[in-house]
Amino acid sequence: NAGVTQTPKFRILKIGQSMTLQCAQDMNHNYMYWYRQDPGMGLKLIYYSVGAGITDKGEVPNGYNVSRSTTEDFPLRLELAAPSQTSVYFCASSYSSGRGNTEAFFGQGTRLTVV
Amino acid sequence: AQTVTQSQPEMSVQEAETVTLSCTYDTSESDYYLFWYKQPPSRQMILVIRQEAYKQQNATENRFSVNFQKAAKSFSLKISDSQLGDAAMYFCAYRSAQGGSEKLVFGKGTKLTVNP
Repeated sequence: NAGVTQTPKFRILKIGQSMTLQCAQDMNHNYMYWYRQDPGMGLKLIYYSVGAGITDKGEVPNGYNVSRSTTEDFPLRLELAAPSQTSVYFCASSYSSGRGNTEAFFGQGTRLTVV
Repeated sequence: AQTVTQSQPEMSVQEAETVTLSCTYDTSESDYYLFWYKQPPSRQMILVIRQEAYKQQNATENRFSVNFQKAAKSFSLKISDSQLGDAAMYFCAYRSAQGGSEKLVFGKGTKLTVNP
């Protein structure tokens, strides 16, 4: 069972470079999320999507972009990487139908270092 | 906006003993979900237990149970018969039950150490 798959697991970027963090889920979940986790902190929401073609900003969206062209994929784009974006990034997905809601399933995270 | 507060950055417990991790939250909503997630050194986020706000009965999952006090907006996690494998970061999280607002809001976490 694949669940939520994130790639890459580790990456080092130079200041000003760009990259895309990939996230795919095979559970037919409608909701997908991107979080970042800084040392000693909880997870902060960057962007989320309630379905294909729909995205919305979370708590810390600056410096990032997302797209959701399919139900399965939710890539996170970093443009002009900055040291402040050094963090661990988590993708998650969940299913919601009306009031019902399931738990969020998480990928294994991407450790990104910007130098 | 909803907030989640975990006031204990670190906790420790002896193996086989019981420990309680605290969590409080702030919301104006009446319908929501609360979760405890475990994050071991592997970084994987693992759901430990969840509670639906409209249910008065406290959730239990084997050695894990919660004390949900809706009026006090408190949601503590009790781990009984602690095991070495319980050592991890524990995060409390809140999610609204209102459609379209289902963002998961996390506390800063509590690092649990289990001493042999």
